[in-house]
Amino acid sequence: DAGVIQSPRHEVTEMGQEVTLRCKPISGHNSLFWYRQTMMRGLELLIYFNNNVPIDDSGMPEDRFSAKMPNASFSTLKIQPSEPRDSAVYFCASSFRGQGRVQPQHFGDGTRLSIL
Amino acid sequence: GDSVTQMEGPVTLSEEAFLTINCTYTATGYPSLFWYVQYPGEGLQLLLKATKADDKGSNKGFEATYRKETTSFHLEKGSVQVSDSAVYFCALPTSSGNTGKLIFGQGTTLQVKP
Repeated sequence: DAGVIQSPRHEVTEMGQEVTLRCKPISGHNSLFWYRQTMMRGLELLIYFNNNVPIDDSGMPEDRFSAKMPNASFSTLKIQPSEPRDSAVYFCASSFRGQGRVQPQHFGDGTRLSIL
Repeated sequence: GDSVTQMEGPVTLSEEAFLTINCTYTATGYPSLFWYVQYPGEGLQLLLKATKADDKGSNKGFEATYRKETTSFHLEKGSVQVSDSAVYFCALPTSSGNTGKLIFGQGTTLQVKP
C-alpha cells in the first residue's frame, strides 16, 4: 500500500520566493495534518483538515502561510513570501476519522525546506 | 487540558542494554495511547498502540502497557540494538471532540552504541 506521499523531498530557495509543498494522503483517509519540525520548537501542528475542510489553522504561524485541500487526494502548503526562519522539515500526515476510537496518523517522509 | 510528558533525552545505551522511556499523560477519559518512532531523515512511524487500560502494545521487541492508575505508558525493550537509535514520541488524541488530532510529547532521542 502506498503511504503518504510528499513532494518535493528537498527544497532550497531564496528568501522572498514562493514555496509550495505537496501531499497525497493515503487513499480512504479523511483527515489530513500539516506539521513543522525544527530543533528549537520540535514538532508543531500547523493545520488540519477533515473531509477536505480546514478545521483548525491556529498553528499557522503567519498570514504568509496558507493551506488548501481541493480534493480528498491532494493538499498543498504554501509560503509566500518565504523567510529564512521558515527553514524546517514539513510533514504531512493522514488518518481515518470515524465514529469509534481515534486512529493513528500516518506520516510522509517530509519536505526539508531551506530558505537562504 | 490534555498533555503528554516524556523523559528528557538523550538516552545513551550500549547494545543489548534494557531500555525504558517514561511517558505520562493528562487526559479526560481513557483515550488510546501511541508510541511513534522517527529514524534519521524519515517521518514518524507508528511503533505501537494501546486502546484501553491494562492493554499492552508491542512491536519489534518494544512494549508499553496502558496504566490508568499512574496515567503512564512507558516504552520498554529488553535488549536494544544500534538500529533502534531514533527519536521516540509518545502521543494521545485530544479529548476535545473526535477530531483525530494528536498531542505529542517532546520526543526522546535514543542513541545505542555498539
